Amino acid sequence: GAGVSQSPSNKVTEKGKDVELRCDPISGHTALYWYRQSLGQGLEFLIYFQGNSAPDKSGLPSDRFSAERTGGSVSTLTIQRTQQEDSAVYLCASSSGTSYNEQFFGPGTRLTVL
Amino acid sequence: SQQGEEDPQALSIQEGENATMNCSYKTSINNLQWYRQNSGRGLVHLILIRSNEREKHSGRLRVTLDTSKKSSSLLITASRAADTASYFCATDKYGGSGGSNYKLTFGKGTLLTVNP
Repeated sequence: GAGVSQSPSNKVTEKGKDVELRCDPISGHTALYWYRQSLGQGLEFLIYFQGNSAPDKSGLPSDRFSAERTGGSVSTLTIQRTQQEDSAVYLCASSSGTSYNEQFFGPGTRLTVL
Repeated sequence: SQQGEEDPQALSIQEGENATMNCSYKTSINNLQWYRQNSGRGLVHLILIRSNEREKHSGRLRVTLDTSKKSSSLLITASRAADTASYFCATDKYGGSGGSNYKLTFGKGTLLTVNP
């Protein structure tokens, strides 16, 4: 079956531009997560969607970051006025939302801000 | 600081040897999971151990959990070159909703290199 997909796989942008990153979770998964991973570092939690509940935005680093999840499925992470420090791999994961909470990850989007 | 912290940060072994990686965490957990990441891209789930379990096996993987010490270990036996990857532990702190309000907190990982 299809796994989590993300697009684009790579994105190069100029400082100050806005970017949109897309995540298609596994069908039927109610939970969706966005993480950021800088080179050689662990995963930094950004935002979490669970069903129709209000998202947990506690990990968003600034108000330039926002995310939506439409219809409980596809999610878009938007970064406005990108800065060089935003350069990282952005990973999306989904899970069935059960107590075992195994997360299935997409391949990530590598964002480079020049 | 990170909820889960792995050590060592890097480990280099010869093919056939065993590799042990450790993870420590700070607060009470519901579950602890180990993931593998190749080439800085998506993570792959390896194994989950619940807080009421002490040891779990999956193929060449053995995970232990000591909740009194707030630590876990991942043992890979008879390592292969293909096991070269970064390994992360992730803790699942109960969200308190009684349902499915969980999120994972990842450590910074152990980079394992298995030399042929």
